[in-house]
Amino acid sequence: NAGVTQTPKFRVLKTGQSMTLLCAQDMNHEYMYWYRQDPGMGLRLIHYSVGEGTTAKGEVPDGYNVSRLKKQNFLLGLESAAPSQTSVYFCASRTVQEPGELFFGEGSRLTVL
Amino acid sequence: AQRVTQPEKLLSVFKGAPVELKCNYSYSGSPELFWYVQYSRQRLQLLLRHISRESIKGFTADLNKGETSFHLKKPFAQEEDSAMYYCALCGAGSYQLTFGKGTKLSVIP
Repeated sequence: NAGVTQTPKFRVLKTGQSMTLLCAQDMNHEYMYWYRQDPGMGLRLIHYSVGEGTTAKGEVPDGYNVSRLKKQNFLLGLESAAPSQTSVYFCASRTVQEPGELFFGEGSRLTVL
Repeated sequence: AQRVTQPEKLLSVFKGAPVELKCNYSYSGSPELFWYVQYSRQRLQLLLRHISRESIKGFTADLNKGETSFHLKKPFAQEEDSAMYYCALCGAGSYQLTFGKGTKLSVIP
């Protein structure tokens, strides 16, 4: 039981390049989330999903897209990376019954040059 | 709108001293409040929730609706308590968990 797994863990991009972060969970959780963590800004919600095939915008969705084609996977895409997207990205999941108990991945550190 | 404020970016205390990490919130209804902790090189994890009124690792937190606060307290700090602490709020019926900006606790030996 691996919990929440994020890949890749580190990535360096040039401005304008695209990439996808993959989040996989093996706990059969309905809800999944993508947050970004920046110094002095805490955790900010980018997008979230309440079930397979559904996604919704969070606090800072601009410049990102997401997809939830399978219940266990939640993908975060950057179509044209910008230096402002340099951050640590965290994926999380939870059950329907426990609104505050998020299970987090280890994080993915992205640097955009 | 729901908002969480943690006024201190960094809090340094000596080992054995009491600790209080402040958290204030803004929400029009009845929220659920949580504390999360992130130890060095570990995942962010739930520390405690106000509903359960439990003590975890010696930490407690009481929801004060009048002052809209949910401060985290521990009577005697330990070195292993050094970590980043986040207060979080979930509104009734909301899918989203809103985090504060976090407070870095440093316990000085």
